[in-house]
Amino acid sequence: QQKVQQSPESLSVPEGGMASFNCTSSDRNFQYFWWYRQHSGEGPKALMSIFSDGDKKEGRFTAHLNKASLHVSLHIRDSQPSDSALYFCAATRNNNNRIFFGDGTQLVVKP
Amino acid sequence: GGIITQTPKFLIGQEGQKLTLKCQQNFNHDTMYWYRQDSGKGLRLIYYSITENDLQKGDLSEGYDASREKKSSFSLTVTSAQKNEMAVFLCASSQGKNTLYFGAGTRLSVL
Repeated sequence: QQKVQQSPESLSVPEGGMASFNCTSSDRNFQYFWWYRQHSGEGPKALMSIFSDGDKKEGRFTAHLNKASLHVSLHIRDSQPSDSALYFCAATRNNNNRIFFGDGTQLVVKP
Repeated sequence: GGIITQTPKFLIGQEGQKLTLKCQQNFNHDTMYWYRQDSGKGLRLIYYSITENDLQKGDLSEGYDASREKKSSFSLTVTSAQKNEMAVFLCASSQGKNTLYFGAGTRLSVL
């Protein structure tokens, strides 16, 4: 069973719009969450980490974590064509270094 | 800042061939990972290593061997390449449960 589920599989937004990604985990021991972004032909790069319940904002990016519902989300406001990429949610437990990735959401931002 | 270097960037093999992929990091990170990515899809963990000479199996370890020869290097061997196999192999490193840093990948094609 996939331990980290992402939705939607793909997303298309107009330039300047809001892009929203969802991630749900099936493991209550997950304590640490990340969002990664992968542009075509490159390796993934970390966008944000979130370890506490609530919102975390970095520029145009806002992550939200609710550990009780095992749900984490990412929102990109004022989306740009350069934001077009594959976005991954990742999570890990407190007691080891194994990191679990979701299957990713493909974002296309149309000019 | 550090960097993850993967060699080769492109690898073309023959069916049944044994193929070795190499990864070097200069972050001085303890943990290193090998992931496989098919056609821009999700990341599947093959092996990871939390310290020199340590090896932990991921979800996709069958058909692969790995070796953590020293702290800075982690190699992956495809024991018998499968015909028409195409995938990107991504190496990453992290310090404990912190952010993963990925290389640009090795793109494998098997004829």
